[in-house]
Order: sequence, then C-alpha cells, then structure tokens
Amino acid sequence: NAGVTQTPKFQVLKTGQSMTLQCAQDMNHNSMYWYRQDPGMGLRLIYYSASEGTTDKGEVPNGYNVSRLNKREFSLRLESAAPSQTSVYFCASSSWVGTDTQYFGPGTRLTVL
Amino acid sequence: GESVGLHLPTLSVQEGDNSIINCAYSNSASDYFIWYKQESGKGPQFIIDIRSNMDKRQGQRVTVLLNKTVKHLSLQIAATQPGDSAVYFCAENRGSNYKLTFGKGTLLTVNP
Repeated sequence: NAGVTQTPKFQVLKTGQSMTLQCAQDMNHNSMYWYRQDPGMGLRLIYYSASEGTTDKGEVPNGYNVSRLNKREFSLRLESAAPSQTSVYFCASSSWVGTDTQYFGPGTRLTVL
Repeated sequence: GESVGLHLPTLSVQEGDNSIINCAYSNSASDYFIWYKQESGKGPQFIIDIRSNMDKRQGQRVTVLLNKTVKHLSLQIAATQPGDSAVYFCAENRGSNYKLTFGKGTLLTVNP
C-alpha cells in the first residue's frame, strides 16, 4: 500500500514550457486535491476532484488545468509555465470531501527559469 | 475572515520534554481540525484530528485540545524525541466545504 505517489520528484522548466504532474492513490479514495506550497504562504489549494468525473477550482487555479483520469489518478498540467509557478506541489486524497482526513504525497519540486 | 494561525513560529525543546504547539482559528463554523507533521523534503503527514463535538483527543504520545470558546487548538507531544523535529501545521475544515485551510506552520526543533 503506497498511499499517494507523485511523479516526477523534481523538475526544471523554462518559461513557456508545458508539463504534467502525475498523482496516483491506492486507498480507494473518492476525492483528490492539488496544492502548492510556497515559503511563508502555507499550503494553497489549486484544484480538487470531489469524485471521479468532477473537478473544481480551489484558491489559486489560474495557469493550471487538471484531469481526473480515473478513480486512482489526478494530474495537474501547466500549459505555459511562468516563474511565479516555481513551488512545491502536493497531491492529496481523502475518502470524501469535507470532514475527512487528507493524505498527502511526497511532493514535486518545480523550478521555472 | 477565515484564518488559521499560529502563536509561535518556532519552538525549541530538549529531548524528553513535553512540547506544546498552539493554533488559533477565527472561523467559528469550523467543525473539524487536523494536525499535520512535515519533515524537510517530505509531504505533510497526518498526526491526529478532532471534531468540534470533542474537547480532547489522545493518540500515541500526542494529545489535541480544542477550546471552542476562544477558538484555540493545541498539540501536545509527550517525551519529545529528535525524530519529532519538523514543521507542524494545523488545518480546519468547515464540514461540507471542500476547503482545508492550513496555518503557516511551527518549526519544532528537539535538542539532544
């Protein structure tokens, strides 16, 4: 039982490049989330998927898109990376949205030059 | 507005001492609270949670106290060990709201 896994662990992009961050969970959770973590800002929600087939915006969705590929997988795409998107990205999952504990992956450290 | 904050950004304790990490929240509608531990280079790790119908909940070496009157949450770690050194976040959730609001974290350093 690996929990929540993320790939890649590290990535360097040039401004304007695109990439997709992958996330998978093996806990049979219905809800999945993408956060970014910046120094002094705490964790901020980018997008979430309450259940397979649905996605919704969080606090900071601009510049990102997501796909809930199936119940296990939830990907985050940067279409045209900007230096302001340099951050550590965490994927999380929970049984359901609301009052359920979210379990986090190990993170992807992204640098945009 | 909504906010989850911390009284102390850093805390340094001696190995074996008890640690107390505090968190204030401003949303009286919040009904679920979680403490996470984040070690350097890793994702947040669930420690313990508490719902608003409780005042206290205990885990292994950890206790969470909830004071709804003053909107205050605390995490107590007994017999703190070097492996407890990490950033600790509190988070709150308003029931049906998807949003988990995180505090900025307290860095706990355990000195041997």
